[in-house]
Amino acid sequence: GAGVSQSPSNKVTEKGKDVELRCDPISGHTALYWYRQSLGQGLEFLIYFQGNSAPDKSGLPSDRFSAERTGGSVSTLTIQRTQQEDSAVYLCASSSSGGGITEAFFGQGTRLTVV
Amino acid sequence: AQRVTQPEKLLSVFKGAPVELKCNYSYSGSPELFWYVQYSRQRLQLLLRHISRESIKGFTADLNKGETSFHLKKPFAQEEDSAMYYCALRSSNQFYFGTGTSLTVIP
Repeated sequence: GAGVSQSPSNKVTEKGKDVELRCDPISGHTALYWYRQSLGQGLEFLIYFQGNSAPDKSGLPSDRFSAERTGGSVSTLTIQRTQQEDSAVYLCASSSSGGGITEAFFGQGTRLTVV
Repeated sequence: AQRVTQPEKLLSVFKGAPVELKCNYSYSGSPELFWYVQYSRQRLQLLLRHISRESIKGFTADLNKGETSFHLKKPFAQEEDSAMYYCALRSSNQFYFGTGTSLTVIP
């Protein structure tokens, strides 16, 4: 597709279970971002991938959170032993790198509900 | 350190009234600034970027380096402008977002 695609669009999981969220960025975009959107919290940065460089993981809230990006394309955000406070919308975005005008293109998000 | 501040979480204006959504930033270089908008049940999308000096849907935003601000303005608000607005700063290909302002335009 032409845009950033995320799956699933909704996920309900039981507390303590692991979840995997997937992001397909726009083809050719070398930068990929994960954000968390919570009511009243705005957009919280989680992790940033740029090409083959080591990812910037400075936004991950705990060691239960991890992310991978395979082959410079698809990314998976994994949350282990989910807690109720993990409930949020998880957004993925991608952008082209280098100079010139660029912007971040967002997916539709995955709404995670931990019960 | 880069930082984007949107002081208003909620903003309500009447239809036809002017609207201004505030954004302040801290950055030690020449910033690249954006406004993103999220309408109900839609994905976050770019509204405008400062470098293009464009007006989108009647919105404009001027970069004021002296005041380190990038406020979003529209002279006459419309009901369809009701949405969540995020100011963002791009540095080294990383995007830093404010906490967002929820705008409600009252009919």
